[in-house]
Amino acid sequence: QVQLVESGGGVVQPGGSLRLSCAASGFTFSSYGMHWVRQAPGKGLEWVAFIRYDGSNKYYADSVKGRFTISRDNSKNTLYLQMNSLRAEDTAVYYCAKDGSGYDPDAFDIWGQGTMVTVSS
Amino acid sequence: SYVLTQPPSVSVAPGQTARITCGGNNIGSKSVHWYQQKPGQAPVLVVYDDSDRPSGIPERFSGSNSGNTATLTISRVEAGDEADYYCQVWDSSSDHHVVFGGGTKLTVL
Repeated sequence: QVQLVESGGGVVQPGGSLRLSCAASGFTFSSYGMHWVRQAPGKGLEWVAFIRYDGSNKYYADSVKGRFTISRDNSKNTLYLQMNSLRAEDTAVYYCAKDGSGYDPDAFDIWGQGTMVTVSS
Repeated sequence: SYVLTQPPSVSVAPGQTARITCGGNNIGSKSVHWYQQKPGQAPVLVVYDDSDRPSGIPERFSGSNSGNTATLTISRVEAGDEADYYCQVWDSSSDHHVVFGGGTKLTVL
């Protein structure tokens, strides 16, 4: 079945780094764009980043631009989010999501279960 | 940057119709997608491209989009529809951002 499984979350100190992974199965990963979306405790959804099916284009939210990097390895069916210079306000559940398109963002038709990132000293 | 505005809450009795709005500047020119999120769960796509339903989503869920307002309509509301609902668009202007509305808590009385 179509599935996305995130991993790599945890507790990190302010200024630290963390890399999230998202393993995809049940669909042709290399044909679709992918996203990271986060949700702070008790808050709404916040889009973080998008990567085109072949990695040729990447878009970022202003709140993470220059600190986070989205990437993918189509040979491993895996999406990544490298998070540097972490701040307390980055504390959230991080979801990976499959886009319905390969080229530019469309609807998010499949979501993972999320991984929690806590930035605290 | 583009902003989507949703009412924080909507309440409806079982069997009635719930309408959740999503306001944005000339949103009628964009494709709007809607997600349902129940507590402790990941979001689920319930309407895409303004008014289409993914497979497995009941026909009770429908959408429309015109002018400055998009609307998610849930007919014959059931207790199981109680959830947070989010609208989303792709802002293909110079920002190249995906935008979510703030979310609407649907309460079934």
